[in-house]
Amino acid sequence: RKEVEQDPGPFNVPEGATVAFNCTYSNSASQSFFWYRQDCRKEPKLLMSVYSSGNEDGRFTAQLNRASQYISLLIRDSKLSDSATYLCVAQGGDKLIFGTGTRLQVFP
Amino acid sequence: DTEVTQTPKHLVMGMTNKKSLKCEQHMGHRAMYWYKQKAKKPPELMFVYSYEKLSINESVPSRFSPECPNSSLLNLHLHALQPEDSALYLCASSQPGQEVNEQFFGPGTRLTVL
Repeated sequence: RKEVEQDPGPFNVPEGATVAFNCTYSNSASQSFFWYRQDCRKEPKLLMSVYSSGNEDGRFTAQLNRASQYISLLIRDSKLSDSATYLCVAQGGDKLIFGTGTRLQVFP
Repeated sequence: DTEVTQTPKHLVMGMTNKKSLKCEQHMGHRAMYWYKQKAKKPPELMFVYSYEKLSINESVPSRFSPECPNSSLLNLHLHALQPEDSALYLCASSQPGQEVNEQFFGPGTRLTVL
């Protein structure tokens, strides 16, 4: 079983839609969690860290459920520019463990 | 603008060549990382330097040799690579020992081994 599991997608959604990505992790000792965004042939960029209380940054909301070992990312009012691969990441010490990524395609 | 820079952007090399990838960060971080990423796969950790000392080597073949000359520079020396080593090589940096280890990536070097 992979340490961090994500639905690979693709998720094809129209502009303005709300889309949710889910992620599970297997190591209960994982300390912190992140969502990274990666555009085709570019580097991963940190989208947001994920806190137990949940956190929001504009149209993006991240939630962490430690009891269920589950992380989510909600994107509201999708834009064409949100099209990318979203990587769920768990931290173990100084190491980051990446999920395989979920591909999002927003169409006009 | 990225505060982690990598050179070169692209590199094509033969299996007998020796080349080096370079990374520089201007964030004052004391941990630096090399990752390898194949198409449609997530990044895979290769090496971690913490306070300029190698702290993690993820069983990487010896044809990859990392070097950390100072706190802001990280090199990856390449020798006798194989075609399957063709990939995007990403450098990242962070502040070590933090509860929340946010890592910031450079733009990568796209390596092709012929």
